[in-house]
Amino acid sequence: KQEVTQIPAALSVPEGENLVLNCSFTDSAIYNLQWFRQDPGKGLTSLLLIQSSQREQTSGRLNASLDKSSGRSTLYIAASQPGDSATYLCAAISGTSYDKVIFGPGTSLSVIP
Amino acid sequence: EAQVTQNPRYLITVTGKKLTVTCSQNMNHEYMSWYRQDPGLGLRQIYYSMNVEVTDKGDVPEGYKVSRKEKRNFPLILESPSPNQTSLYFCASSFLGASFNEKLFFGSGTQLSVL
Repeated sequence: KQEVTQIPAALSVPEGENLVLNCSFTDSAIYNLQWFRQDPGKGLTSLLLIQSSQREQTSGRLNASLDKSSGRSTLYIAASQPGDSATYLCAAISGTSYDKVIFGPGTSLSVIP
Repeated sequence: EAQVTQNPRYLITVTGKKLTVTCSQNMNHEYMSWYRQDPGLGLRQIYYSMNVEVTDKGDVPEGYKVSRKEKRNFPLILESPSPNQTSLYFCASSFLGASFNEKLFFGSGTQLSVL
């Protein structure tokens, strides 16, 4: 059974720092891995999707990598800003016959001005 | 504007009183799904639908029903709600499905409290 974990659970950094969020999954048979952002009282916004055959994806200041063999993905945020403060979740999309989505518990990020 | 719309945003009810949470998308997506989010447990998939009249169970389907009679709507039905179903619920959609390497679009959530 797929399990997804995220480290750290919470992170507080000063504005301008580069930071890395970690996501681990137990079953490497995935179609893809997605990173989401969740703001308080709001839904989830998709940030990046990495297909199982890819190693990384980039969007602006965000870069996500995927290492299926080790069951790890990282989200790199460059030059963090206060507006980046949110909870970041990763989700592993199961590589089985049905469309199962397993989320990690999330990392709560605070960027201090 | 492309969006997934959930209603109501907040709902307080009593044990055993049937309720329906609606979800509608205007993007002509074939795939829709429901999740619940609980502190310490994260987001868990309840049900999903790959197309009209096609639904399947996720990780925590007990106590829930869904229907997919038309492409744009995917209501979540709690026929006899219990306090352990108090949670934040999200609906999501994508064109074909997350396993087709497509991003998921989420609604704003429904906070349900069952007394």
